[in-house]
Amino acid sequence: DIQLTQSPSFLSASIGDRVTITCRASQGIANYLAWYHQAPGKAPNLLIYTASTLQRGVPSRFSGSGSGTEFTLTISSLQPEDFGTYYCQQLDGYPRTFGQGTKLQIK
Amino acid sequence: QVLLEQTGAAVKRPGSSVKVSCKTSGGTFTHAISWVRQVPGQGLEWVGGVHPLFGTPRYAPKFQDRVTITADETTATATMELNSLTLTDTAVYYCAREGWELPILENWGQGTLVTVSS
Repeated sequence: DIQLTQSPSFLSASIGDRVTITCRASQGIANYLAWYHQAPGKAPNLLIYTASTLQRGVPSRFSGSGSGTEFTLTISSLQPEDFGTYYCQQLDGYPRTFGQGTKLQIK
Repeated sequence: QVLLEQTGAAVKRPGSSVKVSCKTSGGTFTHAISWVRQVPGQGLEWVGGVHPLFGTPRYAPKFQDRVTITADETTATATMELNSLTLTDTAVYYCAREGWELPILENWGQGTLVTVSS
């Protein structure tokens, strides 16, 4: 199985801050990576796919980069609705796997 | 607008089985459906998935021996059945519709809480 490791696991930041989350894969997955945001008590929501493509309707303050084994999700200017947990998911093979999550708290 | 409507919460005894259904509306039933679970306070875990047109389901090795996922084109409904339940199967189970070309999870159901309790 392809393992995904996110860092950090917990993050506290202020409104307007720039935030970066990293996802590392145990083997190369080209750009077959997606990012999701989950607000408390809600289903996850797709933000980015193929490492850097913004899903329709997702604000442009979100961006993704990377390929191979290292990927990043950046929020350029944090907004109150951005708190919650972020997950990466690999799309390259079965079983589909997720990172363990990064919980983002607003200061 | 694509909507995925899941069946309601269930309480089950250890050793029993649970079926959770996921009805798609507002779009064609031609995309793969994945099932993802989330144990309370923990992360997301892919259980398995099926493509309504291509048939053969795929399962995570962890669930391979006790899960069955099916898709019914006539009712645009995907179903997940999990057998031999244990307390550790207590979780919210989500269905999610994949993209046409990529297995990205574009649309999600509201989630179904399955509680396993003696």
